[in-house]
Amino acid sequence: AQSVAQPEDQVNVAEGNPLTVKCTYSVSGNPYLFWYVQYPNRGLQFLLKYITGDNLVKGSYGFEAEFNKSQTSFHLKKPSALVSDSALYFCAVRAIYNAGNMLTFGGGTRLMVKP
Amino acid sequence: AAGVIQSPRHLIKEKRETATLKCYPIPRHDTVYWYQQGPGQDPQFLISFYEKMQSDKGSIPDRFSAQQFSDYHSELNMSSLELGDSALYFCASSWDRGVNYGYTFGSGTRLTVV
Repeated sequence: AQSVAQPEDQVNVAEGNPLTVKCTYSVSGNPYLFWYVQYPNRGLQFLLKYITGDNLVKGSYGFEAEFNKSQTSFHLKKPSALVSDSALYFCAVRAIYNAGNMLTFGGGTRLMVKP
Repeated sequence: AAGVIQSPRHLIKEKRETATLKCYPIPRHDTVYWYQQGPGQDPQFLISFYEKMQSDKGSIPDRFSAQQFSDYHSELNMSSLELGDSALYFCASSWDRGVNYGYTFGSGTRLTVV
């Protein structure tokens, strides 16, 4: 079985400050890890993914995430938050050898960036 | 670039009615996934199809069925609708099992059961 935990329901940060949205995962074997963002009444938009290689992955809109195998974490980060980053963020995982290929999502973290 | 197209965008049905949701994946994507996202909840996997065959099954109620057609579009059929079926239904597609190119999600169909 595979699972994802996002321990914070909401993260508040001031514009211009760095932000971190936490994600830990549980999967048999090596993971594929993803971050998606969801704006109100919109679909899930892909931000970045980790498959293999460098532990620091850079994605869209200045976001990056660091894969930490020992801590089974894949925290999303951005050096300087924008008000327009305010949205719902989902971390997702699938096992590399998952025959079904489906993603399992975390519960989501609402990011609020205040001016 | 073409995206995953879902129709309709919004649907209102009464209890015990049936609903059909459609998904048109990105051309040449060979796998389609259906997810259900209830209010304030994370997306829950329902079912997937690879090359028109059911690939995996998640928490899909027996009242729901789905299939993928020869043109790779997929339909989710929902019968005997209940109030609890009100949710945002996402379709996603992938190629290469999502390994190199990830998964692309549609904008979803918002189903309201009254």
